[in-house]
Amino acid sequence: DIQVTQSPASVSASVGDRVTITCRASQDISSWLAWYQQEPGKAPKLLIFGASRLQGGVPSRFSGSRSGTDFTLTINNLQPEDFATYYCQQANSFPLTFGGGTKVEIK
Amino acid sequence: QVQLVESGGGVVQPGGSLTLSCAASGFTFSNSGMHWVRQAPGKGLAWVALIRYDGTNKFYADSVKGRFAISRDNTNNTLYLQMDSLSADDTAIYYCAKGAGTNWYDGEWAYLDLWGRGTRVTVSS
Repeated sequence: DIQVTQSPASVSASVGDRVTITCRASQDISSWLAWYQQEPGKAPKLLIFGASRLQGGVPSRFSGSRSGTDFTLTINNLQPEDFATYYCQQANSFPLTFGGGTKVEIK
Repeated sequence: QVQLVESGGGVVQPGGSLTLSCAASGFTFSNSGMHWVRQAPGKGLAWVALIRYDGTNKFYADSVKGRFAISRDNTNNTLYLQMDSLSADDTAIYYCAKGAGTNWYDGEWAYLDLWGRGTRVTVSS
């Protein structure tokens, strides 16, 4: 199985900050990676797929990038509605696997 | 309205069975690969199963293989998850989710672009 190791587990930030979250895949998955946002008590929401392609309706302050097996989600100009938990997911092969999550908290 | 609505969750004893349903609306259900994903209390997301748009291929996580069965009714736009031999480790919120894209061969069904609100399953005596 492909493991995706997500870091950090939590990050404290203020409105207007830039936040960076990283996922590392245990083997080459090309660009088959997605990022999801989950607000407390709600279902996850797809933000980015194909490592860097923004899902329709998602604000442009969210961006994704890839360097080898390392993937990064960047949130620029953090907004109050962005305080949530973020998950990466590899979409390269079965079983599909998620990272452990990163909780973005208010500083 | 584009949505997925799960139902069928509840409390079941260890060793018992439960069938979850997911009603789809607002999109062409018969064109979409469909998934089940679960989230144990206070934990992260775990993929459970996928069924191809026409029901001809099914894929499962090792933790549920042989115990769970995913199926679909494209006439009634409904996805199912039959769960047998349940244990405490199966306690979770179960989400159904739509795979992205409409071309099975481009692989984008592996991205989950629409999620339901989930149904809670508790396995306890």
